[in-house]
Amino acid sequence: AQKITQTQPGMFVQEKEAVTLDCTYDTSDPSYGLFWYKQPSSGEMIFLIYQGSYDQQNATEGRYSLNFQKARKSANLVISASQLGDSAMYFCAMRERSGNTGKLIFGQGTTLQVKP
Amino acid sequence: DAEITQSPRHKITETGRQVTLACHQTWNHNNMFWYRQDLGHGLRLIHYSYGVHDTNKGEVSDGYSVSRSNTEDLPLTLESAASSQTSVYFCASSETGLNQPQHFGDGTRLSIL
Repeated sequence: AQKITQTQPGMFVQEKEAVTLDCTYDTSDPSYGLFWYKQPSSGEMIFLIYQGSYDQQNATEGRYSLNFQKARKSANLVISASQLGDSAMYFCAMRERSGNTGKLIFGQGTTLQVKP
Repeated sequence: DAEITQSPRHKITETGRQVTLACHQTWNHNNMFWYRQDLGHGLRLIHYSYGVHDTNKGEVSDGYSVSRSNTEDLPLTLESAASSQTSVYFCASSETGLNQPQHFGDGTRLSIL
C-alpha cells in the first residue's frame, strides 16, 4: 500500500492566488515527520517545510504553510500569493521514527503551473 | 557553505558496462542516501548509509551497490548497466533526527543504451 499519496498529478493556479496541494499518508507509527520539497524544471530538490506528528500548530515558512489534519492523516501544502517561480513539481515525504532509519518515503509528486 | 555534489551531471553508457556515480558532501552528515527518480514513481530509495562502513539496501537495490569508506563520500555503482536503470539519480544527506531534512545534490541523468 502507498504510504504517501498525492492525488493531483497536475494543477494550475492563477498568479497571486492561493493553492493547496494534497498529501495523505499512512503510518501506524505515532511519531513521524512530514516534509515538502519543491523540484523546479532545473531539477534540484529544495526543502520547503516540515511538520512533526506531535506539533500542536501547523507549520509555516513564509508563503508556505501546512494544513495538518492528523486524524485524517493529511498534510496539505498551502502556497499563498502564488508567483510564476512557484511553477514546479512538489513532493510530499514522510519519515517514521520506528527503527530510527532516517529514510524518507516520497509521494509521486504534483506538478504546479502558475498562470500569469 | 556546505554542499552536496554529484558527478557526472550527465552520462551515457552502454548496457553491460560498470558505471559509478559520485556523491560528495561537506555537511559532515553521517546519513547519506541514493534515490532514483522516474516518471510516475517519485523518488525511490536505492541504498543508504548511517556512517563509515555502514550500508543498507533500499526498496530498489537490485543491480546497485554502494560503499562508505569516509564520511564525505557515498559512490553508487551499477555493476552491469541495464536499460531499465536509465533514470535520474539523486544523492542526499542529513543529520540524524526526525525533523532533519535531507539535503540533495543536483542529480545525475544516466542514459543506458
